[in-house]
Amino acid sequence: EVQLAESGGGLVQPGGSLRLSCAASGFTFSKYWMHWVRQVPGKGLEWISRIKSDGSGATYADSVKGRFTTSRDNVNNTLYLQMDSLRAEDTAVYYCARDGIYVIGSQPFDYWGQGALVTVSS
Amino acid sequence: DIILTQSPDSLPVSLGERATITCKSSQNILYSNNLNYLAWFRQKPGQPPELLIYWASTRQSGVPDRFSGSGSGTEFTLTISSLQAEDVAVYYCHQYYTLPLTFGGGTKVEI
Repeated sequence: EVQLAESGGGLVQPGGSLRLSCAASGFTFSKYWMHWVRQVPGKGLEWISRIKSDGSGATYADSVKGRFTTSRDNVNNTLYLQMDSLRAEDTAVYYCARDGIYVIGSQPFDYWGQGALVTVSS
Repeated sequence: DIILTQSPDSLPVSLGERATITCKSSQNILYSNNLNYLAWFRQKPGQPPELLIYWASTRQSGVPDRFSGSGSGTEFTLTISSLQAEDVAVYYCHQYYTLPLTFGGGTKVEI
């Protein structure tokens, strides 16, 4: 069974840092591109980052570029989101999602984690 | 950036009735391979989004056949042929044609 489980969320002060993890299981993690998507409670979905299957080509939304860094560990099947210089407007639930667009039998954004809440407040 | 505009924002529907949601893209998302890079998601309260439709009209495995997607280029539609209680949710369209990936603003389907 495919599972994605985020961890590392919590309360952080403006200007602070936080690292989210997304533990993957039930599939060959190293074959899949992965994404981070966030959602302000009660609002819509915002894509923030993507990383290719081999860890290269991390790309970011303008709203987080230069402050957030996405990486992955294909040995331990874990995706990371390092968030620095956090702002109040970064407060959201952060989801990791699998992208199977280049994997036969899989689909884009076919599995999502349950999300991790990040609250940026003093 | 590609802007996806969904309508309506809110859609009251009776159980068993049809629900239709529209998604308009600011740019063509039909690629040269003749595939529309558009997906639809359902998000129930307190849960992550769930993939319903990809390539604009292909139903994800396990999704009931009351869900269907149509359209091409810049205009797309999600139809729920007979609304069930578990379909009360917010629905999002999403383009994966180009970065930055974007989502529509969402349509809240309620009874």
